[in-house]
Amino acid sequence: GAGVSQTPSNKVTEKGKYVELRCDPISGHTALYWYRQSLGQGPEFLIYFQGTGAADDSGLPNDRFFAVRPEGSVSTLKIQRTERGDSAVYLCASSPMGTVETQYFGPGTRLLVL
Amino acid sequence: GENVEQHPSTLSVQEGDSAVIKCTYSDSASNYFPWYKQELGKGPQLIIDIRSNVGEKKDQRIAVTLNKTAKHFSLHITETQPEDSAVYFCAASMAEKLTFGTGTRLTIIP
Repeated sequence: GAGVSQTPSNKVTEKGKYVELRCDPISGHTALYWYRQSLGQGPEFLIYFQGTGAADDSGLPNDRFFAVRPEGSVSTLKIQRTERGDSAVYLCASSPMGTVETQYFGPGTRLLVL
Repeated sequence: GENVEQHPSTLSVQEGDSAVIKCTYSDSASNYFPWYKQELGKGPQLIIDIRSNVGEKKDQRIAVTLNKTAKHFSLHITETQPEDSAVYFCAASMAEKLTFGTGTRLTIIP
């Protein structure tokens, strides 16, 4: 079946611009996670949704970052006033029951802020 | 919060030999330890995991060991093959949040 998909696969933007990154989880998965992976590093947790609500957003670095999941399926990560330091791969994962051992990752969106 | 250290950062082994990657974690409350394989341009793929009530788990050529007292766990790959070349990440968690190590780039030399 279809896995987690993320769009766009690559995004180039200019410093100060606003970007939206989309995640389509595996159908029926109730939990959705966003991670950020900088070059040469492991993924870092950003936010976790259970259904429509953000169960844990403790990893969001500052108030320029925001994520929504209005219907409990697709999620959008929004970054305002982008900075060069935001350049990274943004990974999305989903899980059928919100249990950490069953996280399935998407291919990621590579964001480059010039 | 949790801190996970991973060694080595790079590892080259001859095809057919074994590879071992080691991780340590800081929070004794962590109870789940997965290992992920990440190929270029792709997201991490879970290859094996272990829970804190188990000391060892094996799946074909891959095994993971856990020492909760010392707070370290290891990945063992036997009879390595060229397709094992990738970056491997360990992770530790309690609740829903995964904390990853910094990765090991494994290269299998034909």
